[in-house]
Amino acid sequence: EDQVTQSPEALRLQEGESSSLNCSYTVSGLRGLFWYRQDPGKGPEFLFTLYSAGEEKEKERLKATLTKKESFLHITAPKPEDSATYLCAVQAKGNTPLVFGKGTRLSVIA
Amino acid sequence: EAQVTQNPRYLITVTGKKLTVTCSQNMNHEYMSWYRQDPGLGLRQIYYSMNVEVTDKGDVPEGYKVSRKEKRNFPLILESPSPNQTSLYFCASSSDRGLNSPLHFGNGTRLTVT
Repeated sequence: EDQVTQSPEALRLQEGESSSLNCSYTVSGLRGLFWYRQDPGKGPEFLFTLYSAGEEKEKERLKATLTKKESFLHITAPKPEDSATYLCAVQAKGNTPLVFGKGTRLSVIA
Repeated sequence: EAQVTQNPRYLITVTGKKLTVTCSQNMNHEYMSWYRQDPGLGLRQIYYSMNVEVTDKGDVPEGYKVSRKEKRNFPLILESPSPNQTSLYFCASSSDRGLNSPLHFGNGTRLTVT
């Protein structure tokens, strides 16, 4: 069974304090790994797709990386507006739905 | 503006009273899906549709129905709601199941069944 585990469940950072969020996955053949951001009261918003180990993608203060077992979302010098829940999801090969992790709730304090 | 629109945003109902949550997208996407989000359980797929008149079960389809008569609309129907269907529901769409293009989510419908 495909599984996605995100850690930590919650993370509190001071503004400017860089850190990383982890997404560990078990899947029978990875087609893609996705990162989404979810603000309170809103639907998830797409950030990145990673397809193969070694791949990296960046957007502003965020960088996502991928290995054969996990993905990291690195946040460099975060700002309060980066506060949100970050969701990881995997798409396995074949006709299977996306499997989402439970998310990491990030709070960035000014 | 490209968007997925769900209605209503909030709904309180009683056990057994049939309800429909509407979902509409204006991006001409073929793929649409319904999810429920519960604390501690994350997002779980209820049903999805690859195209008009093509629907299939996700992980948690029991107690739900869907239809896809038009490309833009994908309503979620609860024929006889029960309290365990109290949840936050999201509709999403994509041009290709969200693999090579991302899923676009609506802003959610918070359903309470008493």
